Amino acid sequence: DAGITQSPRHKVTETGTPVTLRCHQTENHRYMYWYRQDPGHGLRLIHYSYGVKDTDKGEVSDGYSVSRSKTEDFLLTLESATSSQTSVYFCAIRADLTGELFFGEGSRLTVL
Amino acid sequence: GESVGLHLPTLSVQEGDNSIINCAYSNSASDYFIWYKQESGKGPQFIIDIRSNMDKRQGQRVTVLLNKTVKHLSLQIAATQPGDSAVYFCAGGVNTPLVFGKGTRLSVIA
Repeated sequence: DAGITQSPRHKVTETGTPVTLRCHQTENHRYMYWYRQDPGHGLRLIHYSYGVKDTDKGEVSDGYSVSRSKTEDFLLTLESATSSQTSVYFCAIRADLTGELFFGEGSRLTVL
Repeated sequence: GESVGLHLPTLSVQEGDNSIINCAYSNSASDYFIWYKQESGKGPQFIIDIRSNMDKRQGQRVTVLLNKTVKHLSLQIAATQPGDSAVYFCAGGVNTPLVFGKGTRLSVIA
């Protein structure tokens, strides 16, 4: 158990509504990531964080924002959800010593 | 930019046979590679990793081979079992973040 939890695990929302997904770690690691997974595309990086208040964009960051106000929590926000953001979202943490990535169980988001 | 890709989207193997899943990458500066296994409805799970100063690394029933000359890596699973059925991803890069391939679905035929 890598000590990483995502919430909510499932959410259905309507187009135009804001959505926030939470990633929580108990390992105190520096790096945290948000990926989305879609058929035919594999895992694509949305945003990542390399410390409290330190974040950077990934390859598919448009329409998403993130915040990391404390080490253990990394939040992903969709300010105004669109149907193209229907996906499974995975949070990951990177072990500080080994560089291994550990993934959460995923959050399935459906935007109607 | 960096790209990492798998050669085959699906692979079917007879139970007990060895499986080989291949992956290619584009950035010759990539120095770290990981293989992940993802079962249905779950997050990817770490299998094995390798750094660019190595050509081969072995784990329990798994071996990763890295050929830096042709920018190729492979995952070999010995004596494939039904529990090995899953989607396998390679990921690679320089430091962080890693770039993921699209995955190969391994089906084990009993």
